[in-house]
Amino acid sequence: DQQVKQNSPSLSVQEGRISILNCDYTNSMFDYFLWYKKYPAEGPTFLISISSIKDKNEDGRFTVFLNKSAKHLSLHIVPSQPGDSAVYFCAASPGSGSRLTFGEGTQLTVNP
Amino acid sequence: DAGITQSPRHKVTETGTPVTLRCHQTENHRYMYWYRQDPGHGLRLIHYSYGVKDTDKGEVSDGYSVSRSKTEDFLLTLESATSSQTSVYFCAISPGQKLNTEAFFGQGTRLTVV
Repeated sequence: DQQVKQNSPSLSVQEGRISILNCDYTNSMFDYFLWYKKYPAEGPTFLISISSIKDKNEDGRFTVFLNKSAKHLSLHIVPSQPGDSAVYFCAASPGSGSRLTFGEGTQLTVNP
Repeated sequence: DAGITQSPRHKVTETGTPVTLRCHQTENHRYMYWYRQDPGHGLRLIHYSYGVKDTDKGEVSDGYSVSRSKTEDFLLTLESATSSQTSVYFCAISPGQKLNTEAFFGQGTRLTVV
């Protein structure tokens, strides 16, 4: 039972354009969400988070949107850069003090 | 970068042999975790620790045991390795008084069971 799903295994965009990575969840108890970025041969690194009391959180080029009614969140990267090419994992938990459940990951490729 | 070191970085072992992976941190963080990453599954929690000698199971703990005798070290043991345990294993740490949140990950250990 995959409670956090990233339905797009891969995404390819041009440099300078917007990248939109999507994530859906089924557990209505989830109220804290995170995005991690992973380069090959490295561990994941924390990117940005959002709690359910918000519907948007922004950090530089990265913005996460949360639609609780649809149980959907998305990560927007604007403008996309070749260095953003990585696997992006969505994760969720029932509260910031609880264990994380990860999605399968989306491979983002930003072409120069 | 958070001070996390995983050893070994790569290992090939035979089915039925015991294997121990080590995670060492220099951050004095309370929480430590072991995850495995597999295609189509993302990252799945194996075990975690919330202090010395305090550990708990994650979602895929069968076939694995852990120990934490010192704050800085968290060991993952496969008592009798199976081919299904071929994976990339990540250790992670997180500070503060709450479990998880913005965990910092090690570089991973690629384990192949033949």
